[in-house]
Amino acid sequence: NAGVTQTPKFRVLKTGQSMTLLCAQDMNHEYMYWYRQDPGMGLRLIHYSVGEGTTAKGEVPDGYNVSRLKKQNFLLGLESAAPSQTSVYFCASSLDGQFSNQPQHFGDGTRLSIL
Amino acid sequence: AQKVTQAQTEISVVEKEDVTLDCVYETRDTTYYLFWYKQPPSGELVFLIRRNSFDEQNEISGRYSWNFQKSTSSFNFTITASQVVDSAVYFCALTPRMDSSYKLIFGSGTRLLVRP
Repeated sequence: NAGVTQTPKFRVLKTGQSMTLLCAQDMNHEYMYWYRQDPGMGLRLIHYSVGEGTTAKGEVPDGYNVSRLKKQNFLLGLESAAPSQTSVYFCASSLDGQFSNQPQHFGDGTRLSIL
Repeated sequence: AQKVTQAQTEISVVEKEDVTLDCVYETRDTTYYLFWYKQPPSGELVFLIRRNSFDEQNEISGRYSWNFQKSTSSFNFTITASQVVDSAVYFCALTPRMDSSYKLIFGSGTRLLVRP
């Protein structure tokens, strides 16, 4: 089982460039999340989705957009990258939000540097 | 406010010592889940335990044990006879029931270094 797969694993961008991070899960999970991890701050929620075709803002959504066109994929877009978006990005998924026995499963992370 | 506080930024112990990682949480909700995740140097997040707010029984899994006390809003994690492979950043997290996103609210993490 692949679980949660994030691509790419590393990327360096110049300020103003755009890119899309892809998260794919093969567990038929309804809920998907994008978090960012910054030094000394733990993980913070950027956007999330409670099912195919739905998205919602999290704690730090500015500068990011997301799409969930297919249940298994959750895309995170940076339209105009800024140095403040240098971070490690984690995607996670869970079966549903109803306190099932499944915890959130995380991908291995994408390390993004904006110069 | 919904918040998780891990006051210990970094802990260093010698192998075979016992170590306790502290976690204090705040939530308005009466129903919630608490979690611990491990992040080894390779960077991935590894799920360790989930606890619901109605179950205050302590849990033991091998060398790991967890002490959940609602009276002090704490969910502490103890590693007995620590090993070098336990070196990692450990995150405590909270999911309040009233939040429909069921997102994880993370603490800032505790970096544990186990020296041989």
